[in-house]
Amino acid sequence: DTAVSQTPKYLVTQMGNDKSIKCEQNLGHDTMYWYKQDSKKFLKIMFSYNNKELIINETVPNRFSPKSPDKAHLNLHINSLELGDSAVYFCASSQGWGGSYEQYFGPGTRLTVT
Amino acid sequence: AQKVTQAQTEISVVEKEDVTLDCVYETRDTTYYLFWYKQPPSGELVFLIRRNSFDEQNEISGRYSWNFQKSTSSFNFTITASQVVDSAVYFCALSERGNAGNMLTFGGGTRLMVKP
Repeated sequence: DTAVSQTPKYLVTQMGNDKSIKCEQNLGHDTMYWYKQDSKKFLKIMFSYNNKELIINETVPNRFSPKSPDKAHLNLHINSLELGDSAVYFCASSQGWGGSYEQYFGPGTRLTVT
Repeated sequence: AQKVTQAQTEISVVEKEDVTLDCVYETRDTTYYLFWYKQPPSGELVFLIRRNSFDEQNEISGRYSWNFQKSTSSFNFTITASQVVDSAVYFCALSERGNAGNMLTFGGGTRLMVKP
């Protein structure tokens, strides 16, 4: 069974649309994250979410919003998509909230905005 | 602010060669954690190792070994007798104890190509 799963794996859409990426983890972890990987492979944290506490990277536009219906899911909603949003988005989870916990990543969702 | 630098953007070796991937970090926290992740061509990110700042003992796992030196703020990764399957992008990452949200700061990655 996949530990951290994301859907869809590929997402192609036009500028201005609103889209969502779903993430689920079956590891029983308390904390989940979203990362963005750009075309140069640079990985950057977007959000960290633990027990309804959300930490947002200050550089993330407010068009991006995470939503967590329960501890096992953290979905990413993106409004008014722009060309620069094209990237691979990774969901991750960890057992705890402190800096010591390793994070386990999903397979990624490649978003292409045309 | 925390920062991770992987100066080698790309390394090419021939199978069975040993290769070392460099990682240098910056942090003001006295307690921090270092990680290595592997991203094979298939795209997923695979956790390899975590190291605590208060544990400088080097670690070996099969063909993989890690050298942590606080004096030089480095956490280097060596693959012994490299294989084609080791071809991937390798990321070093840092998290601080005082880091709200357990956010990882990644280096830019090193692309390793192992040729047969």
